[in-house]
Amino acid sequence: EIVLTQSPTTMAASPGEKVTLTCRASSSVSYMHWYQQRSGTSPKLWIYETSKLASGVPNRFSGSGSGTSYSLTINSMETEDAATYYCQQGSSYPPITFGSGTKLEIK
Amino acid sequence: EVQLVESGGGLVQPGRSLKLSCAASGFTFSNYYMAWVRQAPKKGLEWVATISTSGSRTYYPDSVKGRFTISRDNAKSSLYLQMNSLKSEDTATYYCARGQYRYNYDYWGQGVMVTVSS
Repeated sequence: EIVLTQSPTTMAASPGEKVTLTCRASSSVSYMHWYQQRSGTSPKLWIYETSKLASGVPNRFSGSGSGTSYSLTINSMETEDAATYYCQQGSSYPPITFGSGTKLEIK
Repeated sequence: EVQLVESGGGLVQPGRSLKLSCAASGFTFSNYYMAWVRQAPKKGLEWVATISTSGSRTYYPDSVKGRFTISRDNAKSSLYLQMNSLKSEDTATYYCARGQYRYNYDYWGQGVMVTVSS
């Protein structure tokens, strides 16, 4: 089973700040997906296949990575970006695995 | 508009059974893999089950294998999760999700809460 480790666990960013969230896999994977979950709501697909933005996702978001290291970057933090972000792999399946999440707060 | 609406949750005693349903609309249900994903209170996401378009193939993690059964009725655009021998650690919000290429999930339901407690 591939274990995904996200860092940091929690962080706070100021409006306009650049933010980078990291997801590391215990073995190499071919791609990574990311989900955004705001408090009290269902997860939303945010970035798929490492770098493709899901429908409606602002272009201040980007994704990159390969092998065992992947990242989600926000070019300029906005208030509405405060949420928990989860990475997910489907390369080595089953099982599908998720990271434990990074909670991003606004400073 | 794609909609996934879960139902069937509630409070159940350890060792008992419960069946969740997910009603899909706004897309051709039979063309998509479907999945259940759960989230324990204040915890992260955990994949629970996936089913192929025809229902002939199903996949589970070890944590639920042999206790949970995913199924679908394409004529009714409905997804199900039969949960047997429930344990306290199965307490979670259960989400129905639509699968996409390379196993991402592009639409999620609102979730249904299952509480396993005596």
